Amino acid sequence: KAGVTQTPRYLIKTRGQQVTLSCSPISGHRSVSWYQQTPGQGLQFLFEYFSETQRNKGNFPGRFSGRQFSNSRSEMNVSTLELGDSALYLCASSFQGNEEPQHFGDGTRLSIL
Amino acid sequence: GEDVEQSLFLSVREGDSSVINCTYTDSSSTYLYWYKQEPGAGLQLLTYIFSNMDMKQDQRLTVLLNKKDKHLSLRIADTQTGDSAIYFCAERYNQGGKLIFGQGTELSVKP
Repeated sequence: KAGVTQTPRYLIKTRGQQVTLSCSPISGHRSVSWYQQTPGQGLQFLFEYFSETQRNKGNFPGRFSGRQFSNSRSEMNVSTLELGDSALYLCASSFQGNEEPQHFGDGTRLSIL
Repeated sequence: GEDVEQSLFLSVREGDSSVINCTYTDSSSTYLYWYKQEPGAGLQLLTYIFSNMDMKQDQRLTVLLNKKDKHLSLRIADTQTGDSAIYFCAERYNQGGKLIFGQGTELSVKP
């Protein structure tokens, strides 16, 4: 069974640009959660999607958005990039997002110049 | 509140046992998790424990849960150099798809 796949693995952007990251969950998993990992703030929850609906949201500005497609694949978008958005963005999937464990991808490393 | 605390560093000798500690604040947490992160990689699920359990053993890993003190620990028996990594504990927030993570404990295993 394939794991969680995130693309691209690495991305370099400049301030003011926007970026879209993609996540394909484990087959059969319907919940996808996104996290931002930085040395200063650690792992912080961005949002969770289940059945194409945002079900939970973290404390991030509106520049961070996401969506989920009918095949459970998810994308997150960051607009008007800032230097502080440089981070490892991790996607995790689980069957229904309730109590079963989340399985993580290897992340997308985003660098803002 | 949402807060998970871990010590930042642990150094052990190869063959010794490692114990990584974690405290959490949400008493309604039903599941608690341990993840491992190696350089350049995502998070690998190691093990998890349901809140009505005190202990769970999985090969070299033993998880102990003291629900009264909100204290969780991960013991790695016969620690190997390949166990060097950052270990995160996490609690599930409000039964949804949000995990609250500790800062991570960097485990260094010396030969």
